[in-house]
Amino acid sequence: DTGVSQDPRHKITKRGQNVTFRCDPISEHNRLYWYRQTLGQGPEFLTYFQNEAQLEKSRLLSDRFSAERPKGSFSTLEIQRTEQGDSAMYLCASSFSLRDRSNTEAFFGQGTRLTVV
Amino acid sequence: GNSVTQMEGPVTLSEEAFLTINCTYTATGYPSLFWYVQYPGEGLQLLLKATKADDKGSNKGFEATYRKETTSFHLEKGSVQVSDSAVYFCALSTSRAGGTSYGKLTFGQGTILTVHP
Repeated sequence: DTGVSQDPRHKITKRGQNVTFRCDPISEHNRLYWYRQTLGQGPEFLTYFQNEAQLEKSRLLSDRFSAERPKGSFSTLEIQRTEQGDSAMYLCASSFSLRDRSNTEAFFGQGTRLTVV
Repeated sequence: GNSVTQMEGPVTLSEEAFLTINCTYTATGYPSLFWYVQYPGEGLQLLLKATKADDKGSNKGFEATYRKETTSFHLEKGSVQVSDSAVYFCALSTSRAGGTSYGKLTFGQGTILTVHP
């Protein structure tokens, strides 16, 4: 396993278009997280999944954003009707949740850089 | 809510200089504290962690001590190298179940470190 992979690495889109990003976590990891990072800031939590269930969503995740993890493996993050303010790096991370509800270390992908023009 | 404040950067040092990057936090419950590093062109990597008060995390010559009384987790290294040039993020996570949670993280804004030969 080569770690968390994200596709595409870069995406340029016109305002108003829809975009979809994919994240493939480390294969045995049952938790998957999405973060957004804008220039000069730290990553901000968006949402996370335990297997296929989406357990928490941040208030940052507007109605235009939707995330899925249909089979508990890879995940997609879709942004509808993109706005210039959506320009950011979108990071995915995965970890393994243990029986006592604690987690192993979260491993991050290299991110997808979105530019909305 | 949870928040993390890091010293503003960028920080520029000569090789073999002493490094300190300050980090303070506010959190509900019993947070675990982390330092992540992002090398140019790479994803975030966990550098070190501490899960309870007075714990010292260490890795690759870096150290940080969990100080509950001052709500701080300052990163230090006695002698930096050019290869340490990167962006450093302080982060925390809390677990409602009481177990250590490495998943949903709250990050500081990051500190850019540049080390010159």
